[in-house]
Amino acid sequence: AQSVTQPDIHITVSEGASLELRCNYSYGATPYLFWYVQSPGQGLQLLLKYFSGDTLVQGIKGFEAEFKRSQSSFNLRKPSVHWSDAAEYFCAVGAHRQAGTALIFGKGTTLSVSS
Amino acid sequence: DAGITQSPRHKVTETGTPVTLRCHQTENHRYMYWYRQDPGHGLRLIHYSYGVKDTDKGEVSDGYSVSRSKTEDFLLTLESATSSQTSVYFCAISGLAGHNEQFFGPGTRLTVL
Repeated sequence: AQSVTQPDIHITVSEGASLELRCNYSYGATPYLFWYVQSPGQGLQLLLKYFSGDTLVQGIKGFEAEFKRSQSSFNLRKPSVHWSDAAEYFCAVGAHRQAGTALIFGKGTTLSVSS
Repeated sequence: DAGITQSPRHKVTETGTPVTLRCHQTENHRYMYWYRQDPGHGLRLIHYSYGVKDTDKGEVSDGYSVSRSKTEDFLLTLESATSSQTSVYFCAISGLAGHNEQFFGPGTRLTVL
């Protein structure tokens, strides 16, 4: 069965430090992978996506992610975290249905940024 | 931002009452989805639609029904609300099947007492 695992429930990073959020997936075919961010009380905003091609993808707000098929991972990175990055981050895999594609989400990682 | 609105944004109701949540889009996208978000569970798919009058179940569909009579509106109904359906409900839209990303609405916070 398709699944997404985000091993870290909560991470605290100092402002200006680098960030890496982990995501592992289980999916039989070539996965479509996404990272979304959710600020408190808000909906989800797409940060970046991977469909095929270059395994290092760039997203909005200075985020990037690397797809590693051998490790079934799609980790999110940012070289220098800003206080405004504090939010909840969700990794998702696109799962093909009989019609359309649904997203299977991980349980999320909450990022806190300390000054 | 994608043109997606959800109504109501907040609702408190009592166990056993029917509740209908509405998702409205102005993007003319074919695919629409309903998810629920609960602490420790992330988002889980309830139902989705791949066209007018075409819907299918997701992984947590028990106790929910949906309808889509026109492209822009996707309704989620709780026939008889239970406390376990207290959650935040998100609607999402997608323009294409396959790998296209989904765009999310602002969510509806539902409390069932």
